[in-house]
Amino acid sequence: GNSVTQMEGPVTLSEEAFLTINCTYTATGYPSLFWYVQYPGEGLQLLLKATKADDKGSNKGFEATYRKETTSFHLEKGSVQVSDSAVYFCALSGGGADGLTFGKGTHLIIQP
Amino acid sequence: DVKVTQSSRYLVKRTGEKVFLECVQDMDHENMFWYRQDPGLGLRLIYFSYDVKMKEKGDIPEGYSVSREKKERFSLILESASTNQTSMYLCASRDGREWEKLFFGSGTQLSVL
Repeated sequence: GNSVTQMEGPVTLSEEAFLTINCTYTATGYPSLFWYVQYPGEGLQLLLKATKADDKGSNKGFEATYRKETTSFHLEKGSVQVSDSAVYFCALSGGGADGLTFGKGTHLIIQP
Repeated sequence: DVKVTQSSRYLVKRTGEKVFLECVQDMDHENMFWYRQDPGLGLRLIYFSYDVKMKEKGDIPEGYSVSREKKERFSLILESASTNQTSMYLCASRDGREWEKLFFGSGTQLSVL
């Protein structure tokens, strides 16, 4: 079956630091890959996506590249802000009706 | 913007009570989902519905049931609440033609005492 593994948190960084959150996946076929973000007290919202190998998703300064050879979709940002503090979920979809398979989430804390 | 509304933000119930969690979406989405979110376990799919009166079991359906009588509303039912059902419950919806993007509600934090 499908599965997503992402780095354990919490991850604590200082403002303006470089961010990487690792995500690897196991799936049959050619899944689409996603990063969702959950800000405190809110539901999840889509941050970025990539639907095929070598695609790069980007939004709000975050980027992630679909690497089929390493089955990875690592999230990066060059300079984080306090407002980026949230829980980040990597997810995949095989295109079926049953929605997405999520990783366990990584809690990111940015200190001023 | 799509809005997914969950009826309660916080809920406290007693063991053995029947509990209803309600979710309403305003964008005529065909697909709706119930997840629970637990620390260290992430999101796990309980049930989903791909259309009115349709329902399918997810990964952890035991102890839960669902109802989808109208397209906009998807209810999660705990027939006899237990302490291990204390969790954050998240509802989501999706346009059946744009299967990649889920829209989530803000969640219901349920405590079963």
